[in-house]
Amino acid sequence: DTGVSQDPRHKITKRGQNVTFRCDPISEHNRLYWYRQTLGQGPEFLTYFQNEAQLEKSRLLSDRFSAERPKGSFSTLEIQRTEQGDSAMYLCASSLLAVGETQYFGPGTRLLVL
Amino acid sequence: AQSVAQPEDQVNVAEGNPLTVKCTYSVSGNPYLFWYVQYPNRGLQFLLKYITGDNLVKGSYGFEAEFNKSQTSFHLKKPSALVSDSALYFCAWDGSGNTGKLIFGQGTTLQVKP
Repeated sequence: DTGVSQDPRHKITKRGQNVTFRCDPISEHNRLYWYRQTLGQGPEFLTYFQNEAQLEKSRLLSDRFSAERPKGSFSTLEIQRTEQGDSAMYLCASSLLAVGETQYFGPGTRLLVL
Repeated sequence: AQSVAQPEDQVNVAEGNPLTVKCTYSVSGNPYLFWYVQYPNRGLQFLLKYITGDNLVKGSYGFEAEFNKSQTSFHLKKPSALVSDSALYFCAWDGSGNTGKLIFGQGTTLQVKP
């Protein structure tokens, strides 16, 4: 399968714990995006990388959230001191570097904070 | 504020009938517009996009969309609906033209009944 993959698919954690999600993009894609989707809503942009550089972060991304893409390949999204409001689907997408390029999404990681 | 809107939370159609899922946009500059579909507990699948050129865009699974600049709309259409088309549909706009981050509408649930 050469699509975008995410791991884990589901995560249940207790409030206050740290969690880390991984995204493996399509191999030749320069850009990698993270979105958050809550029930009944459209995805909301969190942050994106162009190769290994993190170029933009949404105001939604509090200081408890950090993302990395160390070698310009896979990316991780870490949430520290999770809160119940962090419960959501976290989606990763990747695309080529050009205006209007299509983003291809992974299956998502569903996080439930108890 | 620049955005895309999906005025209908749900659309119901009988199998075999034509379907339309509406999207309107309020953006400045070039409106790069996308349609995605989401099945339960899955990521988003790309259907089609308008970047430039022909206003009628054809996409996956028999879907098409018409870019209408005067009405600022980008409605998704299919001549003959299938039960398997039942899903959540999102219209999205490339919010920047440079970063590629997508701004999504709130989504429309399509229910196709046999």
